[in-house]
Amino acid sequence: AQKITQTQPGMFVQEKEAVTLDCTYDTSDPSYGLFWYKQPSSGEMIFLIYQGSYDQQNATEGRYSLNFQKARKSANLVISASQLGDSAMYFCAMRDYTGANNLFFGTGTRLTVIP
Amino acid sequence: NAGVTQTPKFQVLKTGQSMTLQCAQDMNHNSMYWYRQDPGMGLRLIYYSASEGTTDKGEVPNGYNVSRLNKREFSLRLESAAPSQTSVYFCASRGTSGTSSYNEQFFGPGTRLTVL
Repeated sequence: AQKITQTQPGMFVQEKEAVTLDCTYDTSDPSYGLFWYKQPSSGEMIFLIYQGSYDQQNATEGRYSLNFQKARKSANLVISASQLGDSAMYFCAMRDYTGANNLFFGTGTRLTVIP
Repeated sequence: NAGVTQTPKFQVLKTGQSMTLQCAQDMNHNSMYWYRQDPGMGLRLIYYSASEGTTDKGEVPNGYNVSRLNKREFSLRLESAAPSQTSVYFCASRGTSGTSSYNEQFFGPGTRLTVL
């Protein structure tokens, strides 16, 4: 069974600073994908970044990067130069490539950017 | 190109009433999903459809049924609503292997359902 753990219910960061949101996962499958989604107060789910289990380099998308440490089973999201618009809930999710290819979500971290 | 659309956006039901949540995507995706989101919890999969004509249970299927009407549409039905089904419901879709949309699930705006 897959499991995603986000241990930080809430985080605060000063505007323009960097912040790391933690995510650990548990799977026995060798092939899997890790995702981060952003959910602003308006409620929609916005895809941010993806990392495959066989990818050699950490994924980056603009100000977002994924610190993938396979041996530790962690996939932390790093947001650089935080902006007020980054205030939102952030969800880590994992998909296995066997079986049904479904997503399993963590409980989320609420990020608040302080001006 | 509207992406994933859901109707209605809001709904209030009384216990025992039935309703169908509609979802449609215009991205020619094979796979479609229904999730529910409850406070303090992440999204949990209710049902999914890997391709047109197939549906399978997810993590929390009890009390729900689904229909994959065609490639575009995937509906979720509550036959006899219960207060425990008060939640926000999200529909999502995903493209096929080998395409740029294979990895990412695209989500609809959500339906906020309250069962009294």
